[in-house]
Amino acid sequence: EVQLVESGGGLVQPGRSLKLSCAASGFTFSNYYMAWVRQAPKKGLEWVATISTSGSRTYYPDSVKGRFTISRDNAKSSLYLQMNSLKSEDTATYYCARHRVLQSHFDYWGQGVMVTVSS
Amino acid sequence: EIVLTQSPTTMTASPGEKVTITCRASSSVSYMHWYQQKPGASPKPWIYETSKLASGVPDRFSGSGSGTSYSLTINNMEAEDAATYYCQQWNYPNTFGAGTKLELK
Repeated sequence: EVQLVESGGGLVQPGRSLKLSCAASGFTFSNYYMAWVRQAPKKGLEWVATISTSGSRTYYPDSVKGRFTISRDNAKSSLYLQMNSLKSEDTATYYCARHRVLQSHFDYWGQGVMVTVSS
Repeated sequence: EIVLTQSPTTMTASPGEKVTITCRASSSVSYMHWYQQKPGASPKPWIYETSKLASGVPDRFSGSGSGTSYSLTINNMEAEDAATYYCQQWNYPNTFGAGTKLELK
């Protein structure tokens, strides 16, 4: 059974940093692109980052480029999101998601982890 | 960036009714993916590559479209179909529609 379990969320002050983790199991992690998708309270979905199977290629929207860094450790079947210079608008539930290739849909999602940016 | 506009934003449907949700793209895209989300839960893949049903999705659901216009259709609405549906495209950057909240009448 595919499982994606996020951790590392919490309350953080504006301008500070936070690192999210996602532990994957039930599939060959190194064969899949992985992504982070977020959802602000009562809002829609927003893609945050994608990383290739080897980790050599990363993709971001302009809203987080230069502040967020996605990475992975295939030996540990783990995905990470380093978030720096956090803003109040980064407040959201962050989901770890799997996709087969860059253009494919997100076929498995974690349960999400809440990040609140507030003073 | 390609903007996806879903319509309607909210709607109600009675059991047995036919439901159509539309997603219009600001530029042509190759295909569309759809997700279902219920309150307090993670999104679930629902329809991918425009018309393929994800695992476990009832066959009363269907997807169609091309270019800038796509749709998700439910034949014979059931209570369990009440949810929010999001469309998604991948022409960098990846974008989602704002969602359509479908409620049971």
